[in-house]
Amino acid sequence: DTEVTQTPKHLVMGMTNKKSLKCEQHMGHRAMYWYKQKAKKPPELMFVYSYEKLSINESVPSRFSPECPNSSLLNLHLHALQPEDSALYLCASSQAGASNRGNTIYFGEGSWLTVV
Amino acid sequence: GENVEQHPSTLSVQEGDSAVIKCTYSDSASNYFPWYKQELGKGPQLIIDIRSNVGEKKDQRIAVTLNKTAKHFSLHITETQPEDSAVYFCAAGGITGGGNKLTFGTGTQLKVEL
Repeated sequence: DTEVTQTPKHLVMGMTNKKSLKCEQHMGHRAMYWYKQKAKKPPELMFVYSYEKLSINESVPSRFSPECPNSSLLNLHLHALQPEDSALYLCASSQAGASNRGNTIYFGEGSWLTVV
Repeated sequence: GENVEQHPSTLSVQEGDSAVIKCTYSDSASNYFPWYKQELGKGPQLIIDIRSNVGEKKDQRIAVTLNKTAKHFSLHITETQPEDSAVYFCAAGGITGGGNKLTFGTGTQLKVEL
């Protein structure tokens, strides 16, 4: 079982709603990620946090707003989304910069978002 | 940026046979190559990874090979079982800004038939 926990598992929201996706990990990881995955497509990177600071934003629209309140938690705030934003949103975590080679990324089970 | 190609997109094998999935990448700076298995309705699960200082790695029925010169890496599953049926993603990347920046391949739907 994954040690990255995401809530809620399913979310349906209207285009004028404000909602949040939440992610928690207790592996002591200091890098956390948000990915978006459409049906039958690979995950696409949205944001990377390293030591609670935003280090990568892959040109994501401002209607998605990430937040990292502490080393264990990662939120994704959603506002004024469009139906095409409906997707599986995956949170992940890894060690941060511990070596000059890639660190293993662990994914949560995802939050299924439907925008109506 | 990095570009990862993955083949085949679908693969059907008989139980007990071997399955091979191949990926190529474009960025010679990439030094980390994980493979993920994703079952329907679940998040990707890491099954094996390899770093650029290693040419081959094996874990029970699963093995990965890496050819940095040719920018190829492959996943080999031996003695396939029905529970191996899933979508498999390769990825390539490395450390950027304190975290990993991974680019995923397009995925392979593996079906193991009885």
